[in-house]
Amino acid sequence: KAGVTQTPRYLIKTRGQQVTLSCSPISGHRSVSWYQQTPGQGLQFLFEYFSETQRNKGNFPGRFSGRQFSNSRSEMNVSTLELGDSALYLCASSLEGTANQPQHFGDGTRLSIL
Amino acid sequence: AQTVTQSQPEMSVQEAETVTLSCTYDTSESDYYLFWYKQPPSRQMILVIRQEAYKQQNATENRFSVNFQKAAKSFSLKISDSQLGDAAMYFCAYRRRGTSGSRLTFGEGTQLTVNP
Repeated sequence: KAGVTQTPRYLIKTRGQQVTLSCSPISGHRSVSWYQQTPGQGLQFLFEYFSETQRNKGNFPGRFSGRQFSNSRSEMNVSTLELGDSALYLCASSLEGTANQPQHFGDGTRLSIL
Repeated sequence: AQTVTQSQPEMSVQEAETVTLSCTYDTSESDYYLFWYKQPPSRQMILVIRQEAYKQQNATENRFSVNFQKAAKSFSLKISDSQLGDAAMYFCAYRRRGTSGSRLTFGEGTQLTVNP
């Protein structure tokens, strides 16, 4: 069974631009969560989607948004990029997103803002 | 809000020896899950071991075991017979049981070096 696939692996943008990251969960998984990982702030939860609905949201500004499609694939969008948005963005999927189900992570997208 | 603290930014161990990574957490909940994840340089987060708070028995997965002290809110990871492939960043994580979905709260991480 294929794992969680994130594309692209690397991305370079400049301040003020916007970016879209993609995550394809494991087949059959309906919950997709996104995390931001930086050296200063560590791993922080962005949001979770389940059945095309945002079920949970972290403490990030409105520039960070996401969506989930009917095939459970998810995209994350960041608008008006700032230098501080440089980070590794990780996506994780699980069957139903309940607490007792393990989350499976992708390899992440490394976003660099110049 | 829940918080997770890993007080050891770096640890090192000799190959074949045993090492213990520390983790403490703060929560007002009584039912939750605790996890240890491993992140090698390849960046993928890999689940090492999981503990359910309502289970008193400490979880074990091959060479990995935990010491879960619920009253002290402590959750340490012991790696026995350390191998070179164990070198990675280790994260302790908390997840509340119930309707909060799959949200994980992570600690700061401990970078483990395994010396040959």
